[in-house]
Amino acid sequence: DAGVTQSPTHLIKTRGQQVTLRCSPKSGHDTVSWYQQALGQGPQFIFQYYEEEERQRGNFPDRFSGHQFPNYSSELNVNALLLGDSALYLCASSLDPGPGTEAFFGQGTRLTVV
Amino acid sequence: AQSVAQPEDQVNVAEGNPLTVKCTYSVSGNPYLFWYVQYPNRGLQFLLKYITGDNLVKGSYGFEAEFNKSQTSFHLKKPSALVSDSALYFCAVRDAEWGKLQFGAGTQVVVTP
Repeated sequence: DAGVTQSPTHLIKTRGQQVTLRCSPKSGHDTVSWYQQALGQGPQFIFQYYEEEERQRGNFPDRFSGHQFPNYSSELNVNALLLGDSALYLCASSLDPGPGTEAFFGQGTRLTVV
Repeated sequence: AQSVAQPEDQVNVAEGNPLTVKCTYSVSGNPYLFWYVQYPNRGLQFLLKYITGDNLVKGSYGFEAEFNKSQTSFHLKKPSALVSDSALYFCAVRDAEWGKLQFGAGTQVVVTP
């Protein structure tokens, strides 16, 4: 079992550009969530996808959008990048969206905006 | 609104000694509580969770956690720490509205030989 895989592992972008991050969930998992972890902080919830729909969203601007595909993989898109978007972006998958179901995290994509 | 507090930025312990990492939470309704560990430049690894039932839950790598409803706490414990336990530990909570995991700021654990 490959676990949760994210690509790319590192990325450098210029302010104003757009970026797409990708995530393949753990086998058998149908729920995918995205988190942003700034340096020295805990992860912050961006949004959750289940059945190809955004089910819940954190306090992030509309510049952050996502998608879930029929095979449960997911993308996170960020438009009009700001320096403050530099962070580790974590994808997490779970067996279902229930509150007691643990999430399994990928290794993350380190995004640097210059 | 749900929140988590990890009052210690860093915990230092000698190898072989007991390790405790503190966590308190605030949530409306029944809490769903989790502990994760993060090694440098890595994602988060699930350690254990509390949903309901016994207040003492056992998890991976010899870790356990004690749920205390009256003190709204969920402290992580290990009877005998290893140098390899040195890492960043996060407590997280969900309420019944599924989805969002609310994480604490993290506690850096340093285990010295």
